[in-house]
Amino acid sequence: SQTIHQWPATLVQPVGSPLSLECTVEGTSNPNLYWYRQAAGRGLQLLFYSVGIGQISSEVPQNLSASRPQDRQFILSSKKLLLSDSGFYLCAWRTLGLSYEQYFGPGTRLTVT
Amino acid sequence: AQTVTQSQPEMSVQEAETVTLSCTYDTSESDYYLFWYKQPPSRQMILVIRQEAYKQQNATENRFSVNFQKAAKSFSLKISDSQLGDAAMYFCAYRSRFQGAQKLVFGQGTRLTINP
Repeated sequence: SQTIHQWPATLVQPVGSPLSLECTVEGTSNPNLYWYRQAAGRGLQLLFYSVGIGQISSEVPQNLSASRPQDRQFILSSKKLLLSDSGFYLCAWRTLGLSYEQYFGPGTRLTVT
Repeated sequence: AQTVTQSQPEMSVQEAETVTLSCTYDTSESDYYLFWYKQPPSRQMILVIRQEAYKQQNATENRFSVNFQKAAKSFSLKISDSQLGDAAMYFCAYRSRFQGAQKLVFGQGTRLTINP
């Protein structure tokens, strides 16, 4: 069965520091991968998605970037964090085919101080 | 652009009773998918149920069922025999069936409380 991992689970970082969040998927090949952000008490907003290694599409221009160095690895990064980057970050995956739902990881709670 | 609206920020129900969560959406497309996700206190998003727009039959998953009204662009979730473990945030989501579309468009969520 498929499993999705995210780490770290919780992160507290000062403004201006770099960021690296990692997501890995097991049990599937060539998944579509997604990064979402959830602000407090809000719905999810898609930040980036990837349909293959090295292929990244950005939905919202911002202080963040994403990379996909391996088939089942998706990384969210920032060179300098802003206070507004605080939130709950969720990684999701989907396999190609008839199924259109996305499956989510456990998330990372980021607090920028 | 598609939008999803959940007009009930909070709902509560007595254990073992039935509750319905509302969702409306706006789209000009005729073919799409709709989903309900559950986000418990752990905050991991869990898929509850999905509905294909081309199917007239309402989807059902055990105690969870939907009332899909395509003309009205309404997609409500009914939870029967509510259990304490159903307490969570519930999000309605839309996804285009268009080949190039990728994202899920989420509503703002409804917080469901189960009273023992």
